[in-house]
Amino acid sequence: GAVVSQHPSRVICKSGTSVKIECRSLDFQATTMFWYRQFPKQSLMLMATSNEGSKATYEQGVEKDKFLINHASLTLSTLTVTSAHPEDSSFYICSAKRGWPVGRPPDEKLFFGSGTQLSVL
Amino acid sequence: AQSVTQPDIHITVSEGASLELRCNYSYGATPYLFWYVQSPGQGLQLLLKYFSGDTLVQGIKGFEAEFKRSQSSFNLRKPSVHWSDAAEYFCAVGGGMRFGAGTRLTVKP
Repeated sequence: GAVVSQHPSRVICKSGTSVKIECRSLDFQATTMFWYRQFPKQSLMLMATSNEGSKATYEQGVEKDKFLINHASLTLSTLTVTSAHPEDSSFYICSAKRGWPVGRPPDEKLFFGSGTQLSVL
Repeated sequence: AQSVTQPDIHITVSEGASLELRCNYSYGATPYLFWYVQSPGQGLQLLLKYFSGDTLVQGIKGFEAEFKRSQSSFNLRKPSVHWSDAAEYFCAVGGGMRFGAGTRLTVKP
C-alpha cells in the first residue's frame, strides 16, 4: 500500500533556530500534500495545502513566513518552522493525496505520515 | 464551509460491549467522509470512508459507519469492542480534510 514517510519523528531545538520536517510519498506521486499541527489531546488543525510546483495555500491564522512549505517534487514536501519559539512546540503531521489517472474516479484517501513531535526549549 | 462536529470528547465502554461514536457534518453537497484512528504519539490510520452509493460502509478492524443525509451524520459503530480499540478517533470531511475534535475511547476490562 501507499506509504508516507515523515522525518524526523522527534526533534528538540533551541528557541530561535529553524527546523525542517520532511514528508515523502514512497511509492506514489502526491499531487497535493497537507500539513497539520496537533496540540496535546486536541484535534488536527489544517495549516496549509501544498500543491507540487505552486505556492502553498495557508489556512487563516497561519503565518506563512513562520511556516515555510516547499513542494518541489511529486514525492517531497517540506515544512520549515523558522525562528522557532516554545509556543511552536507541537505534533506536526503531513498527509499526501495520491494523483489519480485521468478518466478514473478520484480517490480522496489521504496517506498520513507518522508525525513529528517538535519541542522548542 | 465544511465543518465536522464530534459531540463526545471521551467515551468509556466495557470490553465486548457495542460502540457508537457520533459525527455530524456541515457541507453544501454530498461530502466525502472519513473516520481515522490515532494511537498515542502516532499518525492516523484510515478506518473507512464514504464517497457515494451504499450508505452503510464497512471498514477495517470490524468498524462500520452509516451515512445519514437527513441527519447530516456519519456515526461509527462496532458491535464488540476490544481492549486494543482504545485510541483517539477522528471524523473528517474530504476536500480540505477538516477534522472533528476527536473522541477518546477508553475500554474497561
